[in-house]
Amino acid sequence: QKEVEQDPGPLSVPEGAIVSLNCTYSNSAFQYFMWYRQYSRKGPELLMYTYSSGNKEDGRFTAQVDKSSKYISLFIRDSQPSDSATYLCAPRRAGNQFYFGTGTSLTVIP
Amino acid sequence: DGGITQSPKYLFRKEGQNVTLSCEQNLNHDAMYWYRQDPGQGLRLIYYSQIVNDFQKGDIAEGYSVSREKKESFPLTVTSAQKNPTAFYLCASSIGQGGYNEQFFGPGTRLTVL
Repeated sequence: QKEVEQDPGPLSVPEGAIVSLNCTYSNSAFQYFMWYRQYSRKGPELLMYTYSSGNKEDGRFTAQVDKSSKYISLFIRDSQPSDSATYLCAPRRAGNQFYFGTGTSLTVIP
Repeated sequence: DGGITQSPKYLFRKEGQNVTLSCEQNLNHDAMYWYRQDPGQGLRLIYYSQIVNDFQKGDIAEGYSVSREKKESFPLTVTSAQKNPTAFYLCASSIGQGGYNEQFFGPGTRLTVL
């Protein structure tokens, strides 16, 4: 069983739509949950970070973690064409080992 | 500005040749990583180093080698033993041990075998 499972998409939505991106994970020791955004032919950059269960909001982005079901979500409100990218979830525990989902490719159509 | 640089951006290799990808960071991070990214497969860890002069194999180390002689530098050599080296290679660094520990990524090197 993979540590992290993520639907690769691709996902295509009209501008202004609400986008939901999701991951599941298997390791109950994961405590830190990150979302990275990767534009085409670029390196990933950290978008959101949460610790343990709960929600975190940053502008149009909301990260949600449900540790009981091992489910991670990223919501994008009022999606913009500039949000078109690949989004990778990255749950982890303390230490230097990082795990990444395969990434979901998102296209926002003007 | 602090960050991670990778060079070259694009690299072409003939079959049977070794090539070295450069990664430099000025973030004063202890840990550095190399990943390979293929379409639909996400990031796969090749090697990582937590401290100078020490490194560990990741999930797909066969056909690759690294060195960590300086804190700032973590070059990756793709050897002729790597049967399918065409991919996007990403270098990353992080502050080291501890709780919150974000990885910072370089811009990547796209390697193509001719």
